[in-house]
Amino acid sequence: EAGVAQSPRYKIIEKRQSVAFWCNPISGHATLYWYQQILGQGPKLLIQFQNNGVVDDSQLPKDRFSAERLKGVDSTLKIQPAKLEDSAVYLCASSPTRLAGGSTDTQYFGPGTRLTVL
Amino acid sequence: AQSVTQLGSHVSVSEGALVLLRCNYSSSVPPYLFWYVQYPNQGLQLLLKYTSAATLVKGINGFEAEFKKSETSFHLTKPSAHMSDAAEYFCAVSEGVSGSRLTFGEGTQLTVNP
Repeated sequence: EAGVAQSPRYKIIEKRQSVAFWCNPISGHATLYWYQQILGQGPKLLIQFQNNGVVDDSQLPKDRFSAERLKGVDSTLKIQPAKLEDSAVYLCASSPTRLAGGSTDTQYFGPGTRLTVL
Repeated sequence: AQSVTQLGSHVSVSEGALVLLRCNYSSSVPPYLFWYVQYPNQGLQLLLKYTSAATLVKGINGFEAEFKKSETSFHLTKPSAHMSDAAEYFCAVSEGVSGSRLTFGEGTQLTVNP
């Protein structure tokens, strides 16, 4: 079974530029999460999708961050404009639903995208 | 609200020694608890999870953790450390509802000395 795919793996941009990250979850997983992991800290949830609907975006800085999951499969996270403090690893995770079987409480993580803002 | 505290941002052990990584949680509802491991430049991999069944949970790579409600703890142990165990370990809590958010601790960096 293929895991969660993310691209790019690394990105370096100047502050005030825009950047986008892509995530393809495990096939059949209805729930998709984006986390921000700042160096030396644990991951922090930015946004959670159930199929193509947003379940939780309470910690997403909506003035500069946006995310979409239009067809309920892959997802894009965008930052516009980027700030220095956005330098972090952006992790995507997915989990199945009861209808699809399997454990609904385990999140499977992709390798992450490391963003450096100069 | 839920939170996780990992005691000790860095733990160093000798190869073959006991590994003990501490995690205390706070949750207003019965929690689900998780330990994840992260190797350099990789995503998080699930080691084990507690979901209100047996309080002693066995995971991959010889790790186990015990849920102690009275102490609000979920410490991770391994009887004998291996060099390949060197990594960062994260404890996380969710509210026990399908698909609810994970709240992570700050992580513990484990070093294994030869």
